[in-house]
Amino acid sequence: AQKITQTQPGMFVQEKEAVTLDCTYDTSDPSYGLFWYKQPSSGEMIFLIYQGSYDQQNATEGRYSLNFQKARKSANLVISASQLGDSAMYFCAMREEQGGSEKLVFGKGMKLTVNP
Amino acid sequence: GAGVSQTPSNKVTEKGKYVELRCDPISGHTALYWYRQSLGQGPEFLIYFQGTGAADDSGLPNDRFFAVRPEGSVSTLKIQRTERGDSAVYLCASSSTGAPYEQYFGPGTRLTVT
Repeated sequence: AQKITQTQPGMFVQEKEAVTLDCTYDTSDPSYGLFWYKQPSSGEMIFLIYQGSYDQQNATEGRYSLNFQKARKSANLVISASQLGDSAMYFCAMREEQGGSEKLVFGKGMKLTVNP
Repeated sequence: GAGVSQTPSNKVTEKGKYVELRCDPISGHTALYWYRQSLGQGPEFLIYFQGTGAADDSGLPNDRFFAVRPEGSVSTLKIQRTERGDSAVYLCASSSTGAPYEQYFGPGTRLTVT
């Protein structure tokens, strides 16, 4: 079963508008972490934001916020005031904390294009 | 400070040859990870080191793949008898222990097997 699902292959947004990138996950582990990474055309994976499964509040980091809906198993990334430099691939990932493995399981990603 | 570095940035090799890919993690990071990213896909976990030992190698696809981290810092991913299907970008990441657990990635090594 796919653990991380990103169903939007690509999205377009106008500069300065907000955009939501969807991510749903599947786990039976009660303790887990959710991450979003950005991968520009240069190829490097850039950490954006983290949400722990027990965190009471949605995570925020500057223009990035994570809309965490635990019962729905969704962890959507919201980017406010889009900038041209936000054009990139975006990956949602999960870290399950039972069993001692620290690996991240990634979704297939989605491509965001910000238009001027 | 310096981020994760990987060498070489690109490697072209012939089918059947042996290759080594190097990763230099962020200083002080005890955890090191290798991932493989094929075109159009997200990174796929290969192996995770905590210190010198491989704590989880469940992602290594077969026994042609092997990784070491002898002194708990630099790691080498070794691929024997390369196949065309091994062509991908190999990403290395490191992290410190404890929350929030973010992994910092290097720029990757693009491996092409001809």
